[in-house]
Amino acid sequence: ETGVTQSPTHLIKTRGQQVTLRCSSQSGHNTVSWYQQALGQGPQFIFQYYREEENGRGNFPPRFSGLQFPNYSSELNVNALELDDSALYLCASSFAGVVGGYTFGSGTRLTVV
Amino acid sequence: AQSVTQPDIHITVSEGASLELRCNYSYGATPYLFWYVQSPGQGLQLLLKYFSGDTLVQGIKGFEAEFKRSQSSFNLRKPSVHWSDAAEYFCAVGAKDGGSQGNLIFGKGTKLSVKP
Repeated sequence: ETGVTQSPTHLIKTRGQQVTLRCSSQSGHNTVSWYQQALGQGPQFIFQYYREEENGRGNFPPRFSGLQFPNYSSELNVNALELDDSALYLCASSFAGVVGGYTFGSGTRLTVV
Repeated sequence: AQSVTQPDIHITVSEGASLELRCNYSYGATPYLFWYVQSPGQGLQLLLKYFSGDTLVQGIKGFEAEFKRSQSSFNLRKPSVHWSDAAEYFCAVGAKDGGSQGNLIFGKGTKLSVKP
């Protein structure tokens, strides 16, 4: 098992810019989810993809968007960055969604200045 | 609304002492329950999970948790804490509606410090 890998590990962007974060799911996993973890908080669910289609979404605006590719890797895109978007972004993958349990990556630390 | 409450923001215990971290959840159906641990600057590692069956579940690193439906609780315990257990601990409930694969709703976490 290779686990869940995320890139980059750290990123600094300017307010108003756009950013793309990447995630490689654990081998055999067909569901990928993205979470935002602000400093001192628990992770918040952004959205989820299953077999390349969005399969659930949390309370995040449309400027947060994503993709899942045929090899089950995934991207999180954030447009028009705001200062409050500064957070740790976690990717998690699973074979059978919440029933199978999610494996998390180490995250991308995004700082918006 | 589905939610998870971890009443203790920060707990300090002495090495070798026992530990209990509290978790209460609000969820309409039978919940899927999880405990994760996060070391500084790291992602989340699954300690244990409860789906059904025996209400006392064993996890990795000597942790266990007990599901109590009547109290809507899923408290995490360890009989003897090691210095390496210092980290942040998150309780989560799995929310699964209709055809979705389900997502996790997390508490705000409990930071554990261990005194030598």
